[in-house]
Amino acid sequence: EAGVVQSPRYKIIEKKQPVAFWCNPISGHNTLYWYRQNLGQGPELLIRYENEEAVDDSQLPKDRFSAERLKGVDSTLKIQPAELGDSAVYLCASSSSFGGDRPSYEQYFGPGTRLTVT
Amino acid sequence: KNQVEQSPQSLIILEGKNCTLQCNYTVSPFSNLRWYKQDTGRGPVSLTIMTFSENTKSNGRYTATLDADTKQSSLHITASQLSDSASYICVVSALYDMRFGAGTRLTVKP
Repeated sequence: EAGVVQSPRYKIIEKKQPVAFWCNPISGHNTLYWYRQNLGQGPELLIRYENEEAVDDSQLPKDRFSAERLKGVDSTLKIQPAELGDSAVYLCASSSSFGGDRPSYEQYFGPGTRLTVT
Repeated sequence: KNQVEQSPQSLIILEGKNCTLQCNYTVSPFSNLRWYKQDTGRGPVSLTIMTFSENTKSNGRYTATLDADTKQSSLHITASQLSDSASYICVVSALYDMRFGAGTRLTVKP
């Protein structure tokens, strides 16, 4: 079974430029997460999707970050314009179910995209 | 505020030795606690998951314990191997929230 796929694996851009990351979750997983992980820190949730609906985007910096999950499968995270402080690893994860009064199910992470903003 | 604190921040041990990593949390109401292993340049991979009623869970050489009363968990690694070198992240879930610790960076030396 294929795991969570992310691309690109590495991206170097100059500040003020736009950048986009792509994620393909595990087949059948309805929940998709985007995280940002700074060096030496744990992942921080940016946005969580249940199918195509963003159910938790409270930590997404909406002035420059946007995300979409068309048809409830693949997802794209965009930054425009990028700032130096956006340098981090962006992780995508998926799970079969999460939320409400149900227990949170296992999350499977992709390898991440390492973004360097110069 | 829901928080997860891990200690030590980093640890160096010799191959074959045992070690214990700590996780303290204030996340409430508690749903479950997971330990993840994250190799350099890779995404985290789940090692164990424990609910409120579970005190101990093992996965090979990894044994996690949970004390829900004191809100503490530990991850014990037995007979360490070079491949155990990684970051170990504690993740605590509440009903509507999931909190990640900063991780413990373990280095196993020959």
